[in-house]
Amino acid sequence: DIVMTQSPDSLAVSLGERATINCKSSQSIFSSSNNKDYLAWYQQKPGQPPKLLIYWASTRESGVPDRFSGSGSGTDFTLTISSLQAEDVAVYYCQQYYSSKTFGQGTRLEIK
Amino acid sequence: EVELVESGGGLVQPGGSQRLSCAASGFTFSNYWMSWVRQAPGKGPEWVANIKEDGNERYYVDSVKGRFTISRDNAKNSLFLQMNSLRAEDTAVYFCARDGLQAGWFDPWGQGTLVTVSS
Repeated sequence: DIVMTQSPDSLAVSLGERATINCKSSQSIFSSSNNKDYLAWYQQKPGQPPKLLIYWASTRESGVPDRFSGSGSGTDFTLTISSLQAEDVAVYYCQQYYSSKTFGQGTRLEIK
Repeated sequence: EVELVESGGGLVQPGGSQRLSCAASGFTFSNYWMSWVRQAPGKGPEWVANIKEDGNERYYVDSVKGRFTISRDNAKNSLFLQMNSLRAEDTAVYFCARDGLQAGWFDPWGQGTLVTVSS
C-alpha cells in the first residue's frame, strides 16, 4: 500500500499570511503514460464531510478560491493557501489514487 | 444540485450486521463509479470499497474483504454497503462518495452515517 505522510500535523498561521502543508508518498504516484500525478487535496471543517479542493496535484476544483494551489510531483507535494482567511480553518488531507486510494493523516490549520 | 444522502447507521454488537444505503440525486448515477469511505473518530478518511458504473467490478480495502459487500441499484439511484462480522475497529462515520470521472478522487461526499460497533 502507498502510505501518505503529511507535515506538519498542525499549523497556526496569521490571517493574510501564507500557509503551506506538505504531503509525501511512500512511492511515486506519477504516471508517465499521461504525465499526471495521482494526488488530491481535501478540506474538512468540523461536522462536515471532506470537500475536494485539488486533483491531479495542481488542478483546482471548480468554485475553489484561487488562493488555494497545489504543487509537486513524484513523491513530494504541497498545498499552499496564499493569504489565509478565517474560513480556511479546517483539517486538510491529501489522497493518492495511483494504486488503490489512501489518505494522509491530516493537517489541522488554525489562526495564530 | 448533486446530493448524496446516507442512512442505516446505528449501534450494532460485535459480530453483527448492518446495511447502509445512499440515495443519489442531481446527476446521472449510472455514469459514475461510487465509493464508500469511512472515518473513525479523530482519524483521517479510509477508502472502504468502490463499484463500477454497471456493478460488474467491485474493489475493497483488505481489512473488509470477505465481510463487506458493496452493491448498487441504478434504477433507484442507490448505493449500498452490507457489513457483516462487524468489529470494534469498524466504528466510524461512513460516507458515500462519487468517484471522479475516470479517476480516483471523491467528489462530492454525503454527510455520512455513524456506525458504532460495541457491546
